This record gives sequence, C-alpha cells and structure tokens, in this order.
Amino acid sequence: GQNIDQPTEMTATEGAIVQINCTYQTSGFNGLFWYQQHAGEAPTFLSYNVLDGLEEKGRFSSFLSRSKGYSYLLLKELQMKDSASYLCAFPTSGANNLFFGTGTRLTVIP
Amino acid sequence: DADVTQTPRNRITKTGKRIMLECSQTKGHDRMYWYRQDPGLGLRLIYYSFDVKDINKGEISDGYSVSRQAQAKFSLSLESAIPNQTALYFCATSDLGQGHGNEQFFGPGTRLTVL
Repeated sequence: GQNIDQPTEMTATEGAIVQINCTYQTSGFNGLFWYQQHAGEAPTFLSYNVLDGLEEKGRFSSFLSRSKGYSYLLLKELQMKDSASYLCAFPTSGANNLFFGTGTRLTVIP
Repeated sequence: DADVTQTPRNRITKTGKRIMLECSQTKGHDRMYWYRQDPGLGLRLIYYSFDVKDINKGEISDGYSVSRQAQAKFSLSLESAIPNQTALYFCATSDLGQGHGNEQFFGPGTRLTVL
C-alpha cells in the first residue's frame, strides 16, 4: 500500500527555524516532492529529492532517507509569508500521478 | 499570464444541477489531472488523462465525468451535484520531459458549493 504521515499543524516564531517531517510508505520509490500551499490557493512546487541527502535552495532545504522512508523540509529565517500548508507527495507505482499527504499547516507568529 | 487556468473560480449551485468545471493550459503538457481538496483530507485524484484519447479514473471518480477536448483542455462534470461534492477543485498538468518528471503544475482552483 501507500501512505504518508505528516503532522497536522505546527507553530513557529518569525526568524526561527522549523523542520516539517514526512514519513512515507510506497511499493516503488520514484522521488519525493514538497509543495507549498497558501490558504485557498494552488499548491506550488518547492523541492524534489530522489537521492539520499540534503538539497538546499535558499531558505528552504529538503532531506531524504530512502532506507527509513523519511523526509523533512527545513525552513530557515522564517517569515510571516511562510505561513502555509506544506504537502509531501510521491509518484505512484507506474508514475501515473502524485500521491499527496494531508499536509502540515504552519503558522508563523511574530 | 497563467499557464494553467480554471473557470469558474467560484460557483454556488443546487443539489441535482449539472455542473462543468473547465481547465485550460498553455504549457504544452500531455498529462492533465483533476483533484478535489477537502479540509483534513488533502488532495484526492478524481480523473487523469495522458493524452486526448486516454482517460483514467482516480481514487474518487464516482459522481464525476471528464472530457479531454484537446491537448490543452480538460473538463470535469458533475452530472447531478450533491452537497458532499462541495470542495476546492484543482486542475494540474505534468510532462515527463519537463521539470522534475512527475512534477505537477496546478491551476488556481475552483471553489464549488452545492446547496
């Protein structure tokens, strides 16, 4: 089967660092995506990991451990505009589409 | 200009009415998808299409139908709307030869309310 687990909600302070975890189960791994979604808006691509390790892109980094079925998104120097939901997703078997987790709603407070 | 557009952006309708949601894209992608999003349930796949002659059911296709009129257009229909189809609907596109392969690009969404 396939499954994704993410925390439902997180709160962090402006300027701080926050780590959003994602654990997944899939029969055939073909990469892991992170999307950002502001309330009522479209999801937008943040990162893609297919190999183990850390991928850094500005204030955002994403980590993958294939053996542990684990990924995290690291947000540094948090800004108020980072308040959004963060969705973890992977391609399904046969790569027909993406399977999405329910997302983690991050609230950044002053 | 938006690469993936959806019309209408908001719609309120009554139970039993037929509704069509439209999606157009200028990205030149072959693959198109329809999702619905409900609070606490995330994005769930309704239908997807890999080209004009290819239509596939997703996780929750009951009560919905689709039409791929052209490479750039993919419409979702609710033949007889019911209140539990109230949700935010997203169209998405992808192309294995662009971006990160399975990366999907989303339209702005249609908020549908069925009374």
